Amino acid sequence: DIVMTQAPLSVSVTPGESASISCRSSKSLLHSNGITYVYWYLQKPGKSPQLLIYRMSNLASGVPDRFSGSGSETDFTLKISRVEAEDVGIYYCGQLLENPLTFGSGTKLEIK
Amino acid sequence: EVKLQQSGDELVRPGASVKISCKASGYTFTNYAMYWVKQSPGQGLEWIGTIIPLIDTTSYNQKFKGKATLTADKSSNTAYMELSRLTSEDSAVYYCARSEAYWGQGTLVTVSS
Repeated sequence: DIVMTQAPLSVSVTPGESASISCRSSKSLLHSNGITYVYWYLQKPGKSPQLLIYRMSNLASGVPDRFSGSGSETDFTLKISRVEAEDVGIYYCGQLLENPLTFGSGTKLEIK
Repeated sequence: EVKLQQSGDELVRPGASVKISCKASGYTFTNYAMYWVKQSPGQGLEWIGTIIPLIDTTSYNQKFKGKATLTADKSSNTAYMELSRLTSEDSAVYYCARSEAYWGQGTLVTVSS
């Protein structure tokens, strides 16, 4: 199984500042079709996960452009610019390259 | 607007089974795979399996083989997941998700006598 390792476990951010969350996969997520199958989700308290970034760097519909995704074949970063209070929650990375689909253990974002 | 409406929370006895539904609307049901995901209390996300309604093909996380059974009813645009021989380890919130993008509201299953 592909292991997804996230860091840090938690991050505390002042509103208006930036935050970065890292995710590393145990295997390359780059498919032969040129697509990297890593996804980023935010789970707000008491809510379902919502898609933020798909295929490493594509912004999901309705997601503010303060969110961005980047990376290589095995190392990925979610960056949140100008953090707002509504960004609190747990961020997960996930790989949809192969079964079993797997997710990181999550990064909790709090506001200072 | 894409919507996935899951059935209500369940309280079930150990050893029993439960069937959760996920009714889809706002898109062509057969055009997308449906994922099912488990979230144990205070824990992360665990993929259970995927069903492709168009061809009724399923794939399962090895961990959930024999535990979960995925089906889909194309006539009602509804996906189902049945969990069998329930134990306290099965107490969790279960989500359906249309491919990677749209998630249901979750169904809490509590296994208790």
